[in-house]
Amino acid sequence: GAGVSQSPSNKVTEKGKDVELRCDPISGHTALYWYRQSLGQGLEFLIYFQGNSAPDKSGLPSDRFSAERTGGSVSTLTIQRTQQEDSAVYLCASSPGDRPGTQYFGPGTRLLVL
Amino acid sequence: GEDVEQSLFLSVREGDSSVINCTYTDSSSTYLYWYKQEPGAGLQLLTYIFSNMDMKQDQRLTVLLNKKDKHLSLRIADTQTGDSAIYFCAESPPGGYQKVTFGTGTKLQVIP
Repeated sequence: GAGVSQSPSNKVTEKGKDVELRCDPISGHTALYWYRQSLGQGLEFLIYFQGNSAPDKSGLPSDRFSAERTGGSVSTLTIQRTQQEDSAVYLCASSPGDRPGTQYFGPGTRLLVL
Repeated sequence: GEDVEQSLFLSVREGDSSVINCTYTDSSSTYLYWYKQEPGAGLQLLTYIFSNMDMKQDQRLTVLLNKKDKHLSLRIADTQTGDSAIYFCAESPPGGYQKVTFGTGTKLQVIP
């Protein structure tokens, strides 16, 4: 079956512009995660959605970052007024929820802020 | 908070065994995981171990867990050039729908 997909695969933007990153999880997966991976760094947790529960937003680095998940499926991560330090790979993962560490990752969106 | 640490880099010769180590701080961790990330790709789950197990073997992969010392290792037998990647360990606490903590990743370089 289809895995997790993300779009766009690459995004170049100018400092100060807003960007939207999209994630299509595996159908039926109740949990969805966003992570950020900077060059040579590990994974930085951003936000986590589980079913109809309120999302865990504890990892969002500033109020310029927001995310939503519509209909329990597709998720959009929005970064407003982008800064150069936002340049990174943004990874999305989904999980069936019975074992939270069993996550299926998308290929990521590579964001470059000039 | 939870912390998961790994060494940054490991270099081995093709055909040798690789051992990637990880330490974690959360004693309530229920599951521990190993992920592989190839260049330009997302992470792929390799294997996981439940905290009441000491060892798990899956073909060339052997996971060892020392719960007392909170130490996890991944052994890759007969390492191949295709094993060159970044390996992440991760832990999740009990309770079902919870945040997972990933380590910093170990870059494995296999020398032909």
